[in-house]
Amino acid sequence: EDKVVQSPLSLVVHEGDTVTLNCSYEVTNFRSLLWYKQEKKAPTFLFMLTSSGIEKKSGRLSSILDKKELFSILNITATQTGDSAVYLCAAYTSGTYKYIFGTGTRLKVLA
Amino acid sequence: NAGVTQTPKFRVLKTGQSMTLLCAQDMNHEYMYWYRQDPGMGLRLIHYSVGEGTTAKGEVPDGYNVSRLKKQNFLLGLESAAPSQTSVYFCASSYGWTALHFGNGTRLTVT
Repeated sequence: EDKVVQSPLSLVVHEGDTVTLNCSYEVTNFRSLLWYKQEKKAPTFLFMLTSSGIEKKSGRLSSILDKKELFSILNITATQTGDSAVYLCAAYTSGTYKYIFGTGTRLKVLA
Repeated sequence: NAGVTQTPKFRVLKTGQSMTLLCAQDMNHEYMYWYRQDPGMGLRLIHYSVGEGTTAKGEVPDGYNVSRLKKQNFLLGLESAAPSQTSVYFCASSYGWTALHFGNGTRLTVT
């Protein structure tokens, strides 16, 4: 059965801290790994990763994929209160055309 | 460019009533998906479609039906609503393996 597991489930940090969010996956015919940020409404797209070892970066956020060990991490440096959200990762399976989501990591950044 | 539009935004049903949720996308995406989101359970796939006239079951299809008569529209139907179907429903679309684009969600309460 295809599955995506995220850890930790929740995290509370102070502004300025650096956080690392984890996503491991076991899916058949893996094609891509995606990260989303969800505040009050719909998830918003952050990164898509398809190749191992190539870091994607956007401002204070970065992500990398390890296809051998079947995991990805999302790093957020110098956290701000606006980073408070649920972070979701999803694996796309090209065999069944499904995006399988993890349950998310709830991040709270305190001022 | 509207992206993915879901209607309605909110709905309250009584047990046993039926309703249809409409999803429309203007990005010419082949693939469309319906997810439900419940507290602590991430996004769970209900049904999806890989092209006009095709549909397939996801993880939690029971109690729901779908139709994709036009490429841009994907309808989710509840024939006889149950309290267990109280949830937030998200529609999403993509070209396949690339970023999923989400609608703003429909909050459904079944009493």
